[in-house]
Amino acid sequence: DAKTTQPNSMESNEEEPVHLPCNHSTISGTDYIHWYRQLPSQGPEYVIHGLTSNVNNRMASLAIAEDRKSSTLILHRATLRDAAVYYCILRPLEAFNKFYFGSGTKLNVKP
Amino acid sequence: NAGVMQNPRHLVRRRGQEARLRCSPMKGHSHVYWYRQLPEEGLKFMVYLQKENIIDESGMPKERFSAEFPKEGPSILRIQQVVRGDSAAYFCASSLLVGDTEAFFGQGTRLTVV
Repeated sequence: DAKTTQPNSMESNEEEPVHLPCNHSTISGTDYIHWYRQLPSQGPEYVIHGLTSNVNNRMASLAIAEDRKSSTLILHRATLRDAAVYYCILRPLEAFNKFYFGSGTKLNVKP
Repeated sequence: NAGVMQNPRHLVRRRGQEARLRCSPMKGHSHVYWYRQLPEEGLKFMVYLQKENIIDESGMPKERFSAEFPKEGPSILRIQQVVRGDSAAYFCASSLLVGDTEAFFGQGTRLTVV
């Protein structure tokens, strides 16, 4: 049921920016784009979400393509604590939190 | 303000036994969701409950699995007559409103069936 496509894994150096891509070509007009991450042996943690405009918060930035068929999660300065699996998820506006997690992108951060 | 609390963190059951997983949502949250995560896979939705009501159980196996969220006390996910294939991490999440953009997850219960 996952409606998003992400690379299986990515690698980054500490203190450098990281761009995590997500394709969602079948997105509908009322689907929100959510990002969660899961640290080892932990439950998922909310990162950011958006609908049409780019979004920034203390954790990350979300860049959404103009046609909304893709988005990119940006970690401005990766730290070792950012090593996790990052999930890009679509959630319909009217729906409750029934997320389709997919396989996500495993981010490895090198010191 | 405690987050979503799940217990136990680890549970070992022999085949055929019953497993009871508990989830206390964040204070004031009345919407609870259960997810299952098999090794090396993403989380899969199981059930969505509000106080005393099951709203959506489309992800629950038809047999042996049940969930409740009573008026008082935690939400319970119950697995009867466990089999090896039930071994997984079970996560509970809660939200204040049904349409909240952020769901808060617990640390999960890791069930091992031997």
